[in-house]
Amino acid sequence: DIQLTQSPSFLSASVGDRVTITCRASQGISSYLAWYQQEPGKAPKLLIYAASTLQSGVPSRFSGSGSGTEFTLTISSLQPEDFATYYCQQFNTYPLFTFGPGTKLDIK
Amino acid sequence: QVQLVQSGSELRKPGASVKVSCKASGYSFTDSAINWVRQAPGQGLEWMGWINTNTVKSTYAQGFTGRFVFSLDTSISTAYLQISSLKADDSAVYYCAREGATAAADLWGQGTLVTVSS
Repeated sequence: DIQLTQSPSFLSASVGDRVTITCRASQGISSYLAWYQQEPGKAPKLLIYAASTLQSGVPSRFSGSGSGTEFTLTISSLQPEDFATYYCQQFNTYPLFTFGPGTKLDIK
Repeated sequence: QVQLVQSGSELRKPGASVKVSCKASGYSFTDSAINWVRQAPGQGLEWMGWINTNTVKSTYAQGFTGRFVFSLDTSISTAYLQISSLKADDSAVYYCAREGATAAADLWGQGTLVTVSS
């Protein structure tokens, strides 16, 4: 089974900061990775798919990179609405997929 | 409007069953698989599996075999999650989500809270 880890688990930052969240896979997954944002009490929202492709309608301050075992989600300039929990998900082991444990981004 | 609308909150006793619905609108239901995701209180997302809306074949993640069943009624563009022999630790929000072109879930239902309590 492929395991995903995310770091950090918790992150405090300020509006305007640049932040990076890392997702690591226990074995190579090519670019079969997506990133989601979940605000409290809401359903998750797809941000990035295929490791680096921005989902339609998602602000350009979000970007994704990486392949193989290490991936990053970067928010170039934090906005108040970006304080949420972020999850990665891998699709390499079709038809079985897994989520990472999540990174909670809080206001400093 | 492209959306997935799930059924409302449910309260069940241990040992009972529950069936959660997920109605699709605004797109061709059989064009995309439906995923199911569980989120226990204060916890992360847990991928449960998915159902192919063309073949009706289901794939279940480890830990979601046996008591969990995905089904469809394509005539009304609706997917279902049935959980039997409910336990307290089945208490969670259950989401349905449409599989996009690259397998990522690009459209989510609002979630259904299932509470299992005596």
